[in-house]
Amino acid sequence: EIVMTQTPLSLSVTPGQPASISCKSSRSLLHSDGKTYLYWYLQRPGQSPQLLIYEVSSRFSGVPDRFSGSGSGTDFTLKISRVEAEDVGVYYCMEATHLPRTFGQGTKVEIK
Amino acid sequence: QVQLRESGPGLVKPSETLSLICTVSGVSISPSYWSWIRQPPGRGLEWIGYIYYTGTTNYNPSLKSRVTISVDTSKNQFSLSLSSVTAADTAIYYCARDYSGAYVFDYWGQGALVTVSS
Repeated sequence: EIVMTQTPLSLSVTPGQPASISCKSSRSLLHSDGKTYLYWYLQRPGQSPQLLIYEVSSRFSGVPDRFSGSGSGTDFTLKISRVEAEDVGVYYCMEATHLPRTFGQGTKVEIK
Repeated sequence: QVQLRESGPGLVKPSETLSLICTVSGVSISPSYWSWIRQPPGRGLEWIGYIYYTGTTNYNPSLKSRVTISVDTSKNQFSLSLSSVTAADTAIYYCARDYSGAYVFDYWGQGALVTVSS
């Protein structure tokens, strides 16, 4: 089973400032089909998780362009260019290259 | 629009079987994969397993001996059965659409809290 390690586990950000979350996997997430199945989700307080980024760097429908994903192999990053109040919640990375599907521990983002 | 809704008992006794149904509306259950994911109170997400509309399944090895996921395409539903539950199985259980093209977990249910207690 792949282990997904997120850092930091919590983040306090001033509105308008950038934020960055790292996600490292214990094995390469490059699939034999050439794609990398790394995803990012946001779980707002009291809500179900929602998909933000798919296949490392593609924004899901309706996701603001202040969110961006990057990385390859075992190292991945989610960046928020200018944090807004609605970005509060827990961010999870998840890999779907291997089975079982595995989530990171989550990074809690709060506003200062 | 696409909606998923979990239903089932909110309280299960230890050693008994937890059963939940996910009803999908707004999209056909085929030809996608569908997953169950759980979240213990205040903790992170754990994937339980998925089912393809044909009935093919894959389970998390940590739960494999106790889990069964099935599908009813005529009702556009899929279900979860988790046997021999303990307090450690207390969690919010989510159903979600799994792999469908590029996306994984693009649609989620609102979650169902299941408490294991006598």
